[in-house]
Parts: sequence; C-alpha cells; structure tokens
Amino acid sequence: GAVVSQHPSRVICKSGTSVKIECRSLDFQATTMFWYRQFPKQSLMLMATSNEGSKATYEQGVEKDKFLINHASLTLSTLTVTSAHPEDSSFYICSARGAVVGGETQYFGPGTRLLVL
Amino acid sequence: EDQVTQSPEALRLQEGESSSLNCSYTVSGLRGLFWYRQDPGKGPEFLFTLYSAGEEKEKERLKATLTKKESFLHITAPKPEDSATYLCAVQRNYGQNFVFGPGTRLSVLP
Repeated sequence: GAVVSQHPSRVICKSGTSVKIECRSLDFQATTMFWYRQFPKQSLMLMATSNEGSKATYEQGVEKDKFLINHASLTLSTLTVTSAHPEDSSFYICSARGAVVGGETQYFGPGTRLLVL
Repeated sequence: EDQVTQSPEALRLQEGESSSLNCSYTVSGLRGLFWYRQDPGKGPEFLFTLYSAGEEKEKERLKATLTKKESFLHITAPKPEDSATYLCAVQRNYGQNFVFGPGTRLSVLP
C-alpha cells in the first residue's frame, strides 16, 4: 500500500520548452501532495505544497509562474516547468499524504530526472 | 526556527559492523519524527515514524529510537544492501510540512 508513481522518470528537453511531470497516488487518496527538488548529494528542498482543488502554496524563492502545480484530483498532481533553462536541471520528487493511509507520513515517488540542454 | 541535523555526514562500515546514525532536532513541540532511506537516483522510502520520547520501532536490521532532542537509527549487523542515504524529518504540528535533515550516506562494504 501507499504507492506513489511519477512520470516520466527521465526527460531531456531543449532550453525554452515546457515540461510536465505527473505524480499519482496509486492506492490511496492523497489530500496533500508535495513537490521537492534535490541537487546531487544534497537533501530535499520543498518547492510547494498542494491540496486537492486548491492553489498550491509555494516556498519562499520558488517562482510560481515558472513551476506550475495543479492538483486536480485526489490521486493526481502535476508540475509543469515552464520555459525551462539549464539551471532548472535537477531531480524532482513528489510525495503524497493521505487522509486515512499513513496519517501524516509522506510517501514519495521515484523521482524525475530533468536535463535541460 | 526548526532545525534538523544529522551525523555523521558519511559512514563507512564493514559488513556485520553495527553502528548508529544520529538525528538531532530543535523544534518547539514535536508531532512526529520520520526516517527514510534513499537510494541513488530514487525517491525516499519510508521506514519509521516516531511520536514520543522513549518510543522504539524495528524493521529487520534497523531500530529507531527517540528522545526529546534526538533520534537514533541503529543498524545491527549491516549488509551491503543497507548502503543508502538515510534521511530524518520532523513535523512540528499536525498538517505542517516536514523539515528534512541533510542525511547520512551509509556505505557497507562486503
């Protein structure tokens, strides 16, 4: 139980294009989803928190117009990196928290490696 | 401000050599402390949640303990497959975001 998937697992794109990453909770309803960014050998950096049907709450320093988050249902959240640039290259990880499953525990997806050329 | 530190930053053990990882936190009121394991290029995998001082949780070769200021992840007779980065995170109140520590990179040599 408590499985979270991400798609794609890896994406390479040209500078200036937009990339969409999907995060799905497969066997539970996720009332809250989180998006993190992780640089090599560093810990997780929270980018934003989203509740189903509400606007995402972004952490300080994260551009909401660049990182668009949509949490349209209790099992799906998407992160769109708009007009991606090489400095956006990173490992993006989502996590989900369910109202019933796991209490406050966050269950993480496998991550998406983004490389912007 | 809530802070989480982990030590050591990196740890190299021989197979079978037991040790402990430390997670120290300063938070005004702790609702939960969470341990995760992360393999390179993958998302963190949930291990344990601890809620109150004195609580202990076990899973295979791992045992997590909690005091009012820190948590330990004890690894007994580790195997090479236990090599990973171990992250701890604290949550201050219900519904609040996690604060993650920087992690401990564990390498277990055969």
